[in-house]
Amino acid sequence: AQSVTQLGSHVSVSEGALVLLRCNYSSSVPPYLFWYVQYPNQGLQLLLKYTSAATLVKGINGFEAEFKKSETSFHLTKPSAHMSDAAEYFCAVRRGGTASKLTFGTGTRLQVTL
Amino acid sequence: GAGVSQSPSNKVTEKGKDVELRCDPISGHTALYWYRQRLGQGLEFLIYFQGNSAPDKSGLPSDRFSAERTGESVSTLTIQRTQQEDSAVYLCASSPRSTVPSGELFFGEGSRLTVL
Repeated sequence: AQSVTQLGSHVSVSEGALVLLRCNYSSSVPPYLFWYVQYPNQGLQLLLKYTSAATLVKGINGFEAEFKKSETSFHLTKPSAHMSDAAEYFCAVRRGGTASKLTFGTGTRLQVTL
Repeated sequence: GAGVSQSPSNKVTEKGKDVELRCDPISGHTALYWYRQRLGQGLEFLIYFQGNSAPDKSGLPSDRFSAERTGESVSTLTIQRTQQEDSAVYLCASSPRSTVPSGELFFGEGSRLTVL
């Protein structure tokens, strides 16, 4: 069965600093990987997704993620954090070849300080 | 509609009562999903609809939970004899093409259920 592990339930960075949110996946077949963001009192919004077209994926709001098969990772990064990036971030996986459910990680809450 | 619509946005009920949560997906989306998000936790899959059938209902936690979808549109999640541990935000999502594995899910803002 496919799953994702997000390391660190809480991450705090200073405004302007690098953001790195970690996600490792487990899948017996090539996966489809997603990052979602949830701002306070809002629904989940897609940041970016990996669909095997390119290993480096660029998303909205300056975020990007790199698919590394050798490390089974899909970490989310942003060069310079902004106060508005404070939110909960979820990594999710769907097994390739099917269109069933997304399996989500437990989430990482990003805090951005001045 | 423009997005996934869920109602009610907030529901407070007494233990033992039944509740119904409604989801209206984006028009034309054939796949519909229900998730549960308990306070401080990740998303827990409940059930997935493809059209009107439910190929995967493995996440329903007990027989008190049921869901249906009619006309390939609106879905209702019903919780019977609610318990305090049912308190959570129930999220609905839809996807435009159920046969595309790369398809993203579009989420509603959720229904917050509080069981007293």
